[in-house]
Amino acid sequence: GQQVMQIPQYQHVQEGEDFTTYCNSSTTLSNIQWYKQRPGGHPVFLIQLVKSGEVKKQKRLTFQFGEAKKNSSLHITATQTTDVGTYFCADASTSGTYKYIFGTGTRLKVLA
Amino acid sequence: NAGVTQTPKFRVLKTGQSMTLLCAQDMNHEYMYWYRQDPGMGLRLIHYSVGEGTTAKGEVPDGYNVSRLKKQNFLLGLESAAPSQTSVYFCASRDSSYGYTFGSGTRLTVV
Repeated sequence: GQQVMQIPQYQHVQEGEDFTTYCNSSTTLSNIQWYKQRPGGHPVFLIQLVKSGEVKKQKRLTFQFGEAKKNSSLHITATQTTDVGTYFCADASTSGTYKYIFGTGTRLKVLA
Repeated sequence: NAGVTQTPKFRVLKTGQSMTLLCAQDMNHEYMYWYRQDPGMGLRLIHYSVGEGTTAKGEVPDGYNVSRLKKQNFLLGLESAAPSQTSVYFCASRDSSYGYTFGSGTRLTVV
């Protein structure tokens, strides 16, 4: 079945360092969504990417959709302790955009 | 604006007991979903609904049933709880062009 893989699974960074998580699929990605889940909280929608090569920015966060739509990335510049959490990507199911398939997430820890 | 509200927030069940998790949204969204989240497993779709009166199976539907009698409500039932159903359950809703809005979750322990 459709699988969405994220790497790395865990990442520890010093505050101020950059962080990148990658979302990959063995098939062509459709529409990519990114979410953040704080420890003990629920996932919160960050952004949606639909076009090949698309780049979107939200303050220190940069989201990118690969040219071939086989991968996507989230880059955080100069991490802060408030960035701690798990970041998920989700791809629209190949059976339609009624549902999205979530990746396993990247857990980010920021050391002060 | 409450968004998506889940009840209860916590519950402990004994094996074999039944319960219903309630989800209500006030955003007039057509689509509603139930996910479970286990450590290292990400979010796995249990059941979903694309409109009032409709339901469909997700990735892990066994042991669960759902109903969507009203557009704003989506109920998840466990008929005979098993320890393997210990998890955090999230309800979510969305419209066709935006991301999911998740509820705050229900932490269920089956002993």
